[in-house]
Amino acid sequence: DAGVIQSPRHEVTEMGQEVTLRCKPISGHNSLFWYRQTMMRGLELLIYFNNNVPIDDSGMPEDRFSAKMPNASFSTLKIQPSEPRDSAVYFCASIRAGGYTEAFFGQGTRLTVV
Amino acid sequence: RKEVEQDPGPFNVPEGATVAFNCTYSNSASQSFFWYRQDCRKEPKLLMSVYSSGNEDGRFTAQLNRASQYISLLIRDSKLSDSATYLCVVNTNAGGTSYGKLTFGQGTILTVHP
Repeated sequence: DAGVIQSPRHEVTEMGQEVTLRCKPISGHNSLFWYRQTMMRGLELLIYFNNNVPIDDSGMPEDRFSAKMPNASFSTLKIQPSEPRDSAVYFCASIRAGGYTEAFFGQGTRLTVV
Repeated sequence: RKEVEQDPGPFNVPEGATVAFNCTYSNSASQSFFWYRQDCRKEPKLLMSVYSSGNEDGRFTAQLNRASQYISLLIRDSKLSDSATYLCVVNTNAGGTSYGKLTFGQGTILTVHP
């Protein structure tokens, strides 16, 4: 299996632009998580899906952030408009639902908003 | 109060030392627990699950105290290659479901020096 695949790996954009981050979970995994990591705040859970349905989006910082999971093999996280404070590493992780099952992370997207 | 709290460190220890990390969680309904390791500029990866009876994997020992809502990780005979950030992770299942919300602590930075 190729693991969790995220794209792009790096993104530099200007303030005010729309940014779309993409994630392909591991086949057969039915839960998907989006996290944001910064030095100051660590790994923050933004939103998670189970069977393509958003379960908890309380971590989404504001209305500029939105996430979708149109099918079991694809999810997007969109920021519109982007701001410099959105600069961070965004990770996607997938897991096969259950108790002691391992979450696998993608390599992350390093976003810089200038 | 954060859902999962860790001492961020950093811990600087010599090779061969024993080092312990602690973590507390706030939701008593949390059901499964893990330690992840994250190397610099890499994604987090599972180090070990934490079972109620405590468990050991080579030089690593994890303990769980549900009454105190406390998790620990002990590393014996530290190696240079143990230098990383160690993340405490708590899985809290949504009521009546098999899927859960994975919440990460801020991480504890460990540096092992010669």
